[in-house]
Formats: sequence, structure tokens, C-alpha cells
Amino acid sequence: GQNIDQPTEMTATEGAIVQINCTYQTSGFNGLFWYQQHAGEAPTFLSYNVLDGLEEKGRFSSFLSRSKGYSYLLLKELQMKDSASYLCAVMDSNYQLIWGAGTKLIIKP
Amino acid sequence: GAVVSQHPSWVICKSGTSVKIECRSLDFQATTMFWYRQFPKQSLMLMATSNEGSKATYEQGVEKDKFLINHASLTLSTLTVTSAHPEDSSFYICSASEGPESQPQHFGDGTRLSIL
Repeated sequence: GQNIDQPTEMTATEGAIVQINCTYQTSGFNGLFWYQQHAGEAPTFLSYNVLDGLEEKGRFSSFLSRSKGYSYLLLKELQMKDSASYLCAVMDSNYQLIWGAGTKLIIKP
Repeated sequence: GAVVSQHPSWVICKSGTSVKIECRSLDFQATTMFWYRQFPKQSLMLMATSNEGSKATYEQGVEKDKFLINHASLTLSTLTVTSAHPEDSSFYICSASEGPESQPQHFGDGTRLSIL
């Protein structure tokens, strides 16, 4: 079966750095996406990785290792507005998106 | 770019009512649109994939006769929840992709449906 694993909840301090991990087992791989979802709102696209390595976009970076079936989202200089759920999703060989359950990130002052 | 508009944002109606939700891609053509449902504190659940000009592909366990999907143009897909009941109360979200492959899905703002 297809599976995406990410921690249910994480807590971090404002101004700090946090890394949210995602491991996956899917039938084929056509890229991995990270989305941010604030409570009561729809997800917004953060990043896309299809090749191994690190993609940096401002305060957010995403890393992928296809051989390990592993990705992480790195958030730097945390702000209170970063409190949200972060969803990892993998596109399989049929170009279907397989969604993780999301990681709820709580930022404390 | 890549804006998806979903309407309405909130619906409160009586049990037995049918509710139509619209999803529009405003600045791109979307051959494929997706309909999701999300219950509180749970992840997104794909209901169906909507393809312009053809029948939608429903996920296992989703009743096609209850959740009618129409994708009449490259910019509009609609989801109609027929004879809605309280258990259908949920957050419904559509998304659209600019291309069939390896393109990020861009989400509408979602529709919060409450059936009394």
C-alpha cells in the first residue's frame, strides 16, 4: 500500500528553526509537495521537489532523498503566523497525489 | 497567477436540500480539477477527480449519485451534494492543476457545509 508518514504535532519557539520530516512509500514517484494549511482555510502550495537535494525559498527550505523515501521542510526564523498544519504529499506513478495526515506546528513566544 | 475561486464559502441548510459548490480557475485553464473533503482535525480526503468534458473519477467509497460532479468547461467544475444530511457536513475544497503532470495543485478557499 501507499503510505506517507509525518509527525502529528510539533512545538517550536518564535525565532527558532524547526524541521518537519516526511517519509513515504508509494508506487512510483513523480515529485513531493509541501503545503501549509491554517486552521479553517484551504492549503497553500509551499514547495515541490522531484530531484534529490535542497530547494530554498526564503525562510522555507525543502529537502528530498529519493533513495531513502524521505523529505523535510525546514522553517527558519519562525514567526507566530507560521503556526499551521504542514502537509506532505507525494505524486505517484499515476500522477495521483497521496497526502500525509499533516503536522500541526505550534509556535510559542 | 494560478488562482482558484470557490463559491460559496459557507452554506447552512436543512437536511434534504441539495447544495451546489462552484470551483473556477481564474487565470489558467484546468483540464483536471479535484474535489476534497476534510473533517475537523483530519487530513484531506480526495473524493473525485474531475476531467473537462468527461465523467469524473470517484474514489472508493464515494457515492457518485450523491456527489454529482460536472466539469463543463476548462475553467469551471461544480460539485452538487444531493439530498444532504447532517453527516455530509464538512469542509469541501476544490483544487486545480495547470497541467496533467507534476504540477502543484492550487486550492480554492473551501466551502464549509453545515446541514441542520
